[in-house]
Amino acid sequence: SSELTQDPAVSVALGQTVRITCQGDSLRNYFATWYQQKPGQAPLLVIYGKNNRPSGIPGRFSGSSSGNTSSVTITGAQAEDEADYYCNSRDSSGNFLLFGGGTKLTVL
Amino acid sequence: QVTLKESGPVLVKPTETLTLTCTVSGFSLSNDRMGVTWIRQPPGKALEWLAHIFSNDERSYTTSLKSRLTISKDASKSQVVLIMTNLDPVDTATYFCARILPGDRLDYWGQGTLVTVSS
Repeated sequence: SSELTQDPAVSVALGQTVRITCQGDSLRNYFATWYQQKPGQAPLLVIYGKNNRPSGIPGRFSGSSSGNTSSVTITGAQAEDEADYYCNSRDSSGNFLLFGGGTKLTVL
Repeated sequence: QVTLKESGPVLVKPTETLTLTCTVSGFSLSNDRMGVTWIRQPPGKALEWLAHIFSNDERSYTTSLKSRLTISKDASKSQVVLIMTNLDPVDTATYFCARILPGDRLDYWGQGTLVTVSS
């Protein structure tokens, strides 16, 4: 399969926990990488590998994976977390990169 | 400090060829296991991976555009060039370059450059 599927939109109440998921056959073999994108800005790497955060990314962001689904969880969502989130991984052949369709996170 | 900056034309006519340059600083294009990737994003739409090139000149292209894309690098100039032929209005997008590390993480991105394809 050469697709990564994300829910188009997710909402969370301020301070609550939200999980954003990404599904694809290739995720059985490859970790997903997660990017946050705010309007008018370039994407920002937030999670990579099994569950790694680049320097500067708050500890409320975490990653997980099970079967063909990878997730990024925000524990205690803040207003500044409102953004589009994209997953990225290899396709099943391992030769190409793919992005999911993105999830728009609204913090209520 | 790692930075990447895209440059190229703002407006291109249909059927013309687009040449985009990514100028990098803070790392070398000759460094083992590092590379540069190009991604685009049509207005209001999702990110789309286009191509990448690594320090050993390994290249890869998205299948849907492979016949139209060429990626190359000049390590002495710290530049990666993406050429896209036969442009169409659907190619209107913001084009980003980013550094790619082992495991495919894109840890630094350029600000992006908006390219409009219109007659």
